[in-house]
Amino acid sequence: DVKVTQSSRYLVKRTGEKVFLECVQDMDHENMFWYRQDPGLGLRLIYFSYDVKMKEKGDIPEGYSVSREKKERFSLILESASTNQTSMYLCASSRGHSSSYEQYFGPGTRLTVT
Amino acid sequence: SQKIEQNSEALNIQEGKTATLTCNYTNYSPAYLQWYRQDPGRGPVFLLLIRENEKEKRKERLKVTFDTTLKQSLFHITASQPADSATYLCAPEGWDSNYQLIWGAGTKLIIKP
Repeated sequence: DVKVTQSSRYLVKRTGEKVFLECVQDMDHENMFWYRQDPGLGLRLIYFSYDVKMKEKGDIPEGYSVSREKKERFSLILESASTNQTSMYLCASSRGHSSSYEQYFGPGTRLTVT
Repeated sequence: SQKIEQNSEALNIQEGKTATLTCNYTNYSPAYLQWYRQDPGRGPVFLLLIRENEKEKRKERLKVTFDTTLKQSLFHITASQPADSATYLCAPEGWDSNYQLIWGAGTKLIIKP
């Protein structure tokens, strides 16, 4: 059974802290994605990666960075957390280099920044 | 700019009836569109993909249409069941961000027994 796992389901951090969100997939997929999901808004793409050590900015990269040192692992880093980064963060993976391939999602991390 | 619209109001349907959800897009023409289901507290799950040259696609009780003239996709669930209650997201191909998907906010579907 294909699986995308995320390091935490719930996380509470203080303003200014550095936050690491980890995502691991076991499907040998080339593509990995980080989204945030807020009420009333669609999923918004933060960063994605086509391959190890490759990264591309999505629609809302400001305040975030990513790391992909291994094919199966994609990390999202909040350099200095702010209250407007309180959100649900979803990681996904897909095979191939086309967005026509289906995406497999992790369960999400609900991050609260106080 | 590209815009995706799904009905933000919840859709209440009686069990056994057909549920129809709408996804409208403006200012561009995607080559394909995906539909996902999302349950509370979970990540979305892929349901169907339809391409611009396919007018209709079916999978069991699900049917998706893609009208490139109206710039609209319709998602139908026939013989609906309470277990179909969830939020349904449409995600057309985008033309920005290296052609990654653009996601609608989703429509919450409630099937009443």
